[in-house]
Amino acid sequence: AQKITQTQPGMFVQEKEAVTLDCTYDTSDPSYGLFWYKQPSSGEMIFLIYQGSYDQQNATEGRYSLNFQKARKSANLVISASQLGDSAMYFCAMREITQGAQKLVFGQGTRLTINP
Amino acid sequence: DSGVTQTPKHLITATGQRVTLRCSPRSGDLSVYWYQQSLDQGLQFLIQYYNGEERAKGNILERFSAQQFPDLHSELNLSSLELGDSALYFCASSVRAGPANTGELFFGEGSRLTVL
Repeated sequence: AQKITQTQPGMFVQEKEAVTLDCTYDTSDPSYGLFWYKQPSSGEMIFLIYQGSYDQQNATEGRYSLNFQKARKSANLVISASQLGDSAMYFCAMREITQGAQKLVFGQGTRLTINP
Repeated sequence: DSGVTQTPKHLITATGQRVTLRCSPRSGDLSVYWYQQSLDQGLQFLIQYYNGEERAKGNILERFSAQQFPDLHSELNLSSLELGDSALYFCASSVRAGPANTGELFFGEGSRLTVL
């Protein structure tokens, strides 16, 4: 079963607009963490933002914020005032602990294109 | 710069061959993870090592193997290569366990393998 679902394969947004990238997750563990990574065309994976399951407030990092709705099991990434440099693949990931070992499980990604 | 070093950055080889990908984690990180990213796909977890010992195994083929050495660098060995093994292979490391450990992974720039 898919643990991280990103339903938007691609999104096109005008420069300076805000954009929301969707992510839903599935877990029965009460303690978990959610991450967003950016992968530009050069290929590297860049950490953007983290939200812990017990965090009371939504995480924010500069122009990035995470809209965390625990009951709906969603962790959408919001990018405000988009820039051309935001064009990239964006991956949502969840920390999973299995037999004492933790790893990140990734969604399929959303390709974001910012138009001038 | 994440501090994780992967070599080589690019590798082209033929079917049936064997290659070794190398990874040096960030200074002080004991955990090393290997992920495979096929074209336009998400990251698939392959294997994790912690301080020289295998901790978790994902969808890693029997033709693939890995190890982590006493100096904490890791190698991923891919043998009897097939066309479908062409992918971007990422190594990532994480901080040692503790209350400040969110599980964030620090990724290398990846090794792009092309099998012809």
